[in-house]
Amino acid sequence: DAGVIQSPRHEVTEMGQEVTLRCKPISGHNSLFWYRQTMMRGLELLIYFNNNVPIDDSGMPEDRFSAKMPNASFSTLKIQPSEPRDSAVYFCASSLAGVLDEQYFGPGTRLTVT
Amino acid sequence: GENVEQHPSTLSVQEGDSAVIKCTYSDSASNYFPWYKQELGKRPQLIIDIRSNVGEKKDQRIAVTLNKTAKHFSLHITETQPEDSAVYFCASRDMNTGFQKLVFGTGTRLLVSP
Repeated sequence: DAGVIQSPRHEVTEMGQEVTLRCKPISGHNSLFWYRQTMMRGLELLIYFNNNVPIDDSGMPEDRFSAKMPNASFSTLKIQPSEPRDSAVYFCASSLAGVLDEQYFGPGTRLTVT
Repeated sequence: GENVEQHPSTLSVQEGDSAVIKCTYSDSASNYFPWYKQELGKRPQLIIDIRSNVGEKKDQRIAVTLNKTAKHFSLHITETQPEDSAVYFCASRDMNTGFQKLVFGTGTRLLVSP
């Protein structure tokens, strides 16, 4: 298995631009998580889906952030408009809820907003 | 919601020494406590986990202990090696939202000197 796949791996954009991060979970997994990691705030859960349905989005910082999971094999996290304080590493993780608790993390997307 | 505190924030040991990292959690209903290791520039990866029905679990040089009464759990690494150098995160399951949400500690940077 290729594991969790994220793209792009690095993104540099200017303030005000739209940013879309993509994630493909491990095949067969039914839960998907989006995390943000910064030095100041550590590893924060932004949102998670179970069977493609958003369960908890309380970690989404503000309306500029949105996430979708149109099918079991794809999810996006969109920031519009982006701001410098959004600079962070964004991880996607997946798990097989109800069977295994381990969350498998993707390689992350390092986002820099100038 | 669940709150997890982790100490120390940094830990330096000599190769061959033992290292102990401690975490406390707030939700007495929590039943799952994983530990993740994150090497520099890499993704977090699960190294060991423990459930509330056991007090200790070992896997070679690493062990985790859980005290449900005191609501704290600890990671023990024996015979440390330079490749153990990384950031270690503890986590606790948040029982308030769908049972899949993990709340992470702020991380411990472990440095093992040869």
